[in-house]
Amino acid sequence: ETGVTQSPTHLIKTRGQQVTLRCSSQSGHNTVSWYQQALGQGPQFIFQYYREEENGRGNFPPRFSGLQFPNYSSELNVNALELDDSALYLCASSLAAGGPYEQYFGPGTRLTVT
Amino acid sequence: AQTVTQSQPEMSVQEAETVTLSCTYDTSESDYYLFWYKQPPSRQMILVIRQEAYKQQNATENRFSVNFQKAAKSFSLKISDSQLGDAAMYFCAYINTNAGKSTFGDGTTLTVKP
Repeated sequence: ETGVTQSPTHLIKTRGQQVTLRCSSQSGHNTVSWYQQALGQGPQFIFQYYREEENGRGNFPPRFSGLQFPNYSSELNVNALELDDSALYLCASSLAAGGPYEQYFGPGTRLTVT
Repeated sequence: AQTVTQSQPEMSVQEAETVTLSCTYDTSESDYYLFWYKQPPSRQMILVIRQEAYKQQNATENRFSVNFQKAAKSFSLKISDSQLGDAAMYFCAYINTNAGKSTFGDGTTLTVKP
């Protein structure tokens, strides 16, 4: 059974640029959630995709967007990067949306915006 | 909106002793799930224990148990016989039954002293 993987591991971007982060969900999982985790804080929910449709969104501006593909892998896109976007971005997959389903987290992508 | 509060930024415990981490939450929903996740220094988040709100019985997983007080909206984690490998950041998380949004607390850093 393959766990959740994320790429790249680290990324350095300049303010105003655009970035795409990728996530491969655990085998058999149809739901992917994305989180932003600032240093020393808890993960903040960005959005969730369930069977290729957005299934919930946190308090993030529209420049944060996502996609889920038929194989349930996912992308997080961030446009017009700001310094405050520097954080660890976590992807988590689960068997279904909501409920008691455990979220399996990837190791994260560390994004630095300069 | 749901909120999750962890009032102890840091806790320490002697190896083999017991420690309790606190979590309170606020919600108007009656049906939801609560989780404790552990994030070791390597950063990959893993599930420790989950509790269904409709169950009165407190969840237990080996050395980990919870004290779930629904009326008080309290969900504490007890770690018995603490081990060096328990050292990590612990996050309390809330998710309701249908929505695709998880809410995490800001975490408690647990140090285990040999």
